[in-house]
Amino acid sequence: GQQVMQIPQYQHVQEGEDFTTYCNSSTTLSNIQWYKQRPGGHPVFLIQLVKSGEVKKQKRLTFQFGEAKKNSSLHITATQTTDVGTYFCAQMDSNYQLIWGAGTKLIIKP
Amino acid sequence: EAGVAQSPRYKIIEKRQSVAFWCNPISGHATLYWYQQILGQGPKLLIQFQNNGVVDDSQLPKDRFSAERLKGVDSTLKIQPAKLEDSAVYLCASSFSTGTTEAFFGQGTRLTVV
Repeated sequence: GQQVMQIPQYQHVQEGEDFTTYCNSSTTLSNIQWYKQRPGGHPVFLIQLVKSGEVKKQKRLTFQFGEAKKNSSLHITATQTTDVGTYFCAQMDSNYQLIWGAGTKLIIKP
Repeated sequence: EAGVAQSPRYKIIEKRQSVAFWCNPISGHATLYWYQQILGQGPKLLIQFQNNGVVDDSQLPKDRFSAERLKGVDSTLKIQPAKLEDSAVYLCASSFSTGTTEAFFGQGTRLTVV
């Protein structure tokens, strides 16, 4: 079945540094969704990308969908302690099933 | 708008006992998901309902897990008998079935099997 690969598994950054997580698929994705899960919390929807080459911004977060619709990235500029958590990408297929990446855990170094 | 409601929030049981979790999705959401999330891992889909029908239960350990959504609204997930490796957070989520279809998650039930 279709898989979504997400890297890195962990990223340690100093507060104020940037953070990026990547999702890749061997097949064309119809869409890509991004979720954030705070420690001890539940996944919360951030955004959905549908169009080839789409770029969307939410304050310090920038989401991109590749031209071939096989990869996506989430970039956070100048991380803050409130950004701590695990970021998941996922694709919703035609059966409304979410295919999840493994997640990237953002850790802010003290 | 009320979110996805789950209960209980926490449950501790001994192995070989049974347990049940309840989920009430957002009103009007036809799709309901049950996920198992082991600490440090991503959500693993156990079962997906579309209204009261099962869309996917391929990863549900059917010898011990069961789920139902009889009236196409709320749902229960049962484990009988529980094993130590069932210790995890059980997340319920729901989504619309048309248009933008993000999933909305409940706060989850943290199950500890001792």
